[in-house]
Amino acid sequence: QVQLQESGPGLVKPSETLSLTCAVSGYFISSGYYWGWIRQPPGKGLEWIGSIYHSGSTYYNPSLKSRVTISVDTSKNQFSLKLSSVTAADTAVYYCARHAGGSPFDYWGQGTLVTVSS
Amino acid sequence: EIVMTQSPATLSVSPGERATLSCRASQSVSSNLAWYQQKPGQAPRLLIYGAFIRATGIPARFSGSGSGTEFTLTISSLQSEDFAVYYCHQYNNWPLTFGGGTKVEIK
Repeated sequence: QVQLQESGPGLVKPSETLSLTCAVSGYFISSGYYWGWIRQPPGKGLEWIGSIYHSGSTYYNPSLKSRVTISVDTSKNQFSLKLSSVTAADTAVYYCARHAGGSPFDYWGQGTLVTVSS
Repeated sequence: EIVMTQSPATLSVSPGERATLSCRASQSVSSNLAWYQQKPGQAPRLLIYGAFIRATGIPARFSGSGSGTEFTLTISSLQSEDFAVYYCHQYNNWPLTFGGGTKVEIK
């Protein structure tokens, strides 16, 4: 059974960088698939942030591209999200999830709430 | 970017009744359309992909239809556990996009 688990600080100060990691179990990232990040502000809908292919190719939401970096560490079987220059508008539950090319997200982490506040 | 528009925003339905949710894409996404169910405090759960294919373990009362730009999710007879928010999602083009959601509430 594929499982994903997000981890990282729950509170980030404005203008700083949000950093999250998604640990994957039950599947080797190096074997394939895309690995993505999605966020959901409190009480609002879902927004795709970006995805990384197991080989390292990245795809980002143009609305966030200038601030986002997604990387993969196959030795630890995890991938990471960095979002720079955060503001209160970046407060959200952040999910990591898996998807194949031309397929929807099939496995999701439980999500982690990140609050941007001084 | 393909904009996904869901309607209605809220749907009030009595248990046992049928619910019909709509999703429209700003340009064709072929059949590369999925539906998710989300309950409070939980991650979205994949219900339908390929516009009409039920994901593993999804009950037959959930059905999807449509192609191109117009899609529908039908819940044939609402059970208590079906009251939730439903999102459509296109994965035909980057950037991946989601609809704004339809909340199905108890009438």
